[in-house]
Amino acid sequence: QKEVEQNSGPLSVPEGAIASLNCTYSDRGSQSFFWYRQYSGKSPELIMSIYSNGDKEDGRFTAQLNKASQYVSLLIRDSQPSDSATYLCAVNRGTGFQKLVFGTGTRLLVSP
Amino acid sequence: NAGVMQNPRHLVRRRGQEARLRCSPMKGHSHVYWYRQLPEEGLKFMVYLQKENIIDESGMPKERFSAEFPKEGPSILRIQQVVRGDSAAYFCASSPLGALTEAFFGQGTRLTVV
Repeated sequence: QKEVEQNSGPLSVPEGAIASLNCTYSDRGSQSFFWYRQYSGKSPELIMSIYSNGDKEDGRFTAQLNKASQYVSLLIRDSQPSDSATYLCAVNRGTGFQKLVFGTGTRLLVSP
Repeated sequence: NAGVMQNPRHLVRRRGQEARLRCSPMKGHSHVYWYRQLPEEGLKFMVYLQKENIIDESGMPKERFSAEFPKEGPSILRIQQVVRGDSAAYFCASSPLGALTEAFFGQGTRLTVV
């Protein structure tokens, strides 16, 4: 079992729809979780971080964390073609420092 | 994040040569991380450094790879006697503190071994 699992996609949604990206992790002791966006050939860009159970909203993005189910999700409202990218879920395995374990990413395609 | 500077952006090396990748963290950041992204694979942690100290190198291959973050100057990831399997994108990230602050990535160095 991979430490961080994501569906590779592609996830196709029409412009204006809600895109829902999911991630599960295996280490129950994980405390901090991150979503990065990566355009093809570019570097990962931090979108959201979440540390507590529940929802965290930032603009069109909402991260959801359920530690009991070991599940993290990212919702993108009013999806735009410019949101088309690979979304990487990352879990911190470091103690006192950032040692991120990444999923392989979900490719999102937003069609006009 | 434009604040983390990596150079060169692209590097081509012949098998057996050495590759040196440089990373200057964001201003005020004293923690540097190196990750590798192989084609069609996820990002993999390699090493975590603070100034003059290697804190965690559990993701570094046992041979040919080394990293440093001197008191002055950028962090260096050094790959000796490169092989084709070393071809990948190498990303550096930095953060100001430890676990509870986010890490920001540089633009990466794309190493091609021919």
